[in-house]
Formats: sequence, structure tokens, C-alpha cells
Amino acid sequence: EAGVAQSPRYKIIEKRQSVAFWCNPISGHATLYWYQQILGQGPKLLIQFQNNGVVDDSQLPKDRFSAERLKGVDSTLKIQPAKLEDSAVYLCASSPRASGRRSQYFGPGTRLTVT
Amino acid sequence: DAKTTQPPSMDCAEGRAANLPCNHSTISGNEYVYWYRQIHSQGPQYIIHGLKNNETNEMASLIITEDRKSSTLILPHATLRDTAVYYCIVRVAGFDGANNLFFGTGTRLTVIP
Repeated sequence: EAGVAQSPRYKIIEKRQSVAFWCNPISGHATLYWYQQILGQGPKLLIQFQNNGVVDDSQLPKDRFSAERLKGVDSTLKIQPAKLEDSAVYLCASSPRASGRRSQYFGPGTRLTVT
Repeated sequence: DAKTTQPPSMDCAEGRAANLPCNHSTISGNEYVYWYRQIHSQGPQYIIHGLKNNETNEMASLIITEDRKSSTLILPHATLRDTAVYYCIVRVAGFDGANNLFFGTGTRLTVIP
């Protein structure tokens, strides 16, 4: 079974620029999550989708971050404009259902460096 | 809000058992204990989970105390590839709403040759 795919793996941008990350979850997984992981910390949830609807985006900085999952499959996370403190690894995860006990499968992440 | 407490780091000799403790004294009756690990430059990987009974799978064993306020993850024969950050997480299962994993800072396990 193919895992969660993310691209790009690495991105370097200057502050105030825009950037977008892409995630393709495991086939058939209804729930998709985006996490931010700052160096030395555990991952922190940014947004959770159930199919193409948002379940939880309480931790998403909505003035600069946006995410969509239009057809309930792939998802994109965008930052516009980027700040230095956005330097982090952005992880995408998916699960068959949010309620599943087996929980979440993670992709390899996109490492963003903002200079 | 951290619901779990873990030591920041541990060492273990290769081939020996690694016992990673976790305190979760405020765990609710409907919350499961999950363990994930994150190897350098990879996404977190599910290891095991349990409610109140001890659990074992091909990767590890999970021992949960009778009062459910603490647990121990056991890697029976640690190898160098087990070097990673291990996260203990409590989470409600069976709930289709907002149900993310809250990661603390975890325990950095170093397996020594």
C-alpha cells in the first residue's frame, strides 16, 4: 500500500514570499491532517479535514495560512506571506476515519526554511 | 496542554530491552494510550495503543498500570534502528470529530552499540 505522499520535500524562501505544499493521502482515507513541527518540538495540528470539510482549524493562523481539500482527496497548504517563525517541517497525515483506533499515517514532511 | 509526561532522553544498549515510561495521571476513562516514534527526518510512525489491558504487537509491548495513570513501552531487543524520539499520547477513540494527536516533546531514545 502506498503511503502518504508530500511534495516538495524541501523549500527555501525569503520572508514575505508565498509557498504551497501538497499532500496525497493513502487511498480511501477520509480524514486528513496537517501538522507543523518546529525544530525540537513535537508536531502541532494546524487543520483536520473529514472528506472535503474542515473539522478543526482552531490552531491555523488564518491571517497567513490556508488549506483546502477540494475533492476530498489531495490537499494543499499555503502560507502567504511567510514569516521567519514559519520555518518548520510540515507534516501531512491521513486515517480511514477520525474515530479509527489505528489512528494516523504520516508522510515524510516538507522542510520549510524562511530566510 | 500536555496530558503526558515523559523523560526527555534515555540510552539503551543494543540488544537489551528499552523501557520507556510515561505518566498520564489525568487520563479519562474513554482515552486510549498511544505510542508513536519519529526517526530522524521522517514522519511519526504508529507503534501501539491500549486502553487498560497490556498489549503486544510485532514492534513492542505496552504495559498500562491498573489505575491507568502511567504506562511503559517496551522494545524487547533494541537495535540501532530504534534510535528515535518516542511520543506517548492520550487520545479519545471512537470519535469522528476533532480528534488530532497532541504530541509533547517525547523521549529521545539512543541505542548504543
